[in-house]
Amino acid sequence: DAGVIQSPRHEVTEMGQEVTLRCKPISGHDYLFWYRQTMMRGLELLIYFNNNVPIDDSGMPEDRFSAKMPNASFSTLKIQPSEPRDSAVYFCASSRGLNSPLHFGNGTRLTVT
Amino acid sequence: AQTVTQSQPEMSVQEAETVTLSCTYDTSESNYYLFWYKQPPSRQMILVIRQEAYKQQNATENRFSVNFQKAAKSFSLKISDSQLGDTAMYFCAFLRGSARQLTFGSGTQLTVLP
Repeated sequence: DAGVIQSPRHEVTEMGQEVTLRCKPISGHDYLFWYRQTMMRGLELLIYFNNNVPIDDSGMPEDRFSAKMPNASFSTLKIQPSEPRDSAVYFCASSRGLNSPLHFGNGTRLTVT
Repeated sequence: AQTVTQSQPEMSVQEAETVTLSCTYDTSESNYYLFWYKQPPSRQMILVIRQEAYKQQNATENRFSVNFQKAAKSFSLKISDSQLGDTAMYFCAFLRGSARQLTFGSGTQLTVLP
């Protein structure tokens, strides 16, 4: 089991550019989550999917953020256009079933200059 | 809404000693789950231990154990025989039984001193 795989590990981009973060969940897991971690706000849930369907996106900051899960093994989080305040570590996590623990990827550190 | 409070931003412990990290939570739910996650400098979030609210017995995983006091809404983590590799940020987290939103505390930075 390779665990949750995120790419890239680091991303540096200029304000206004489009950023796409990628995630491959653990095979067989039916829930996928996107979290953002900052010093000021800690870990925040942005959105989660169940069986590839978005269930709750109330944590998505604004329309600049979008997430997709075209199949059970892949998800993207896109920011367009990016802003310096989007700088954070973005985590993807997956789980099997409703009440099982979340397994996290190594995160993507995004820096927007 | 659920809240999770970790009142100790930083702690330190000597290698081989025991340390306890505090966590309290606030909820009106009766069915829920509690977790401790560890985030070392590598940044990965690693599950340390899990407790189901309906279980009275405290969870234990090797050197890690919890003291779950449901009435007091307290969920502390005890690390015995601390090792240098235990140095990390530790997050307490709450999960409602009816939903998938994991709520995290603000974290406690633990440093194990040689």
